[in-house]
Amino acid sequence: SQQGEEDPQALSIQEGENATMNCSYKTSINNLQWYRQNSGRGLVHLILIRSNEREKHSGRLRVTLDTSKKSSSLLITASRAADTASYFCTIYAGNNRKLIWGLGTSLAVNP
Amino acid sequence: DVKVTQSSRYLVKRTGEKVFLECVQDMDHENMFWYRQDPGLGLRLIYFSYDVKMKEKGDIPEGYSVSREKKERFSLILESASTNQTSMYLCASGIGFSKNIQYFGAGTRLSVL
Repeated sequence: SQQGEEDPQALSIQEGENATMNCSYKTSINNLQWYRQNSGRGLVHLILIRSNEREKHSGRLRVTLDTSKKSSSLLITASRAADTASYFCTIYAGNNRKLIWGLGTSLAVNP
Repeated sequence: DVKVTQSSRYLVKRTGEKVFLECVQDMDHENMFWYRQDPGLGLRLIYFSYDVKMKEKGDIPEGYSVSREKKERFSLILESASTNQTSMYLCASGIGFSKNIQYFGAGTRLSVL
């Protein structure tokens, strides 16, 4: 399967701590994206990293990409209760219009 | 801001009914997508469309059809709803081929009884 796989499946931390979640995939990619989904809602795009990039930042988010290991990580620094959500990685191989989705990491940030 | 609007947040239908889920986007996006999301299975692509009147099957098209008569509107049709189609349905739109960032609606939680 080309499906991305997030690790861990679930993560529980205290407010102020950093949260790291990982994504592994099996195919060559054009880009990799991370999305957030609050409970029972639609997904929101967070950040896109291209295959020729190694690191990208957006506010408290830092994404790294290692194409040799076919893996990416999302770091959320100084987490807040509002960061409680599910986080999905998705890969785009660039050969069609479809994204390949992982199953997500469920993050709980406790006040 | 991009807005993708799904016609219903919650829907309850009976087995055998014909069900229409509507999705409208306001950003002139070429691409539109229908997914279903189930616990433990993640997002699965049902159908997508890259132009008016164009459609392509996704990974799980069986039991579904779609319609895109106007660029801004993409409809998902369950011809004869079954209980195994109880799920969260998510519509998304996006542009381009090189990035493929998708913008999602809030979702429709469909229960088929």
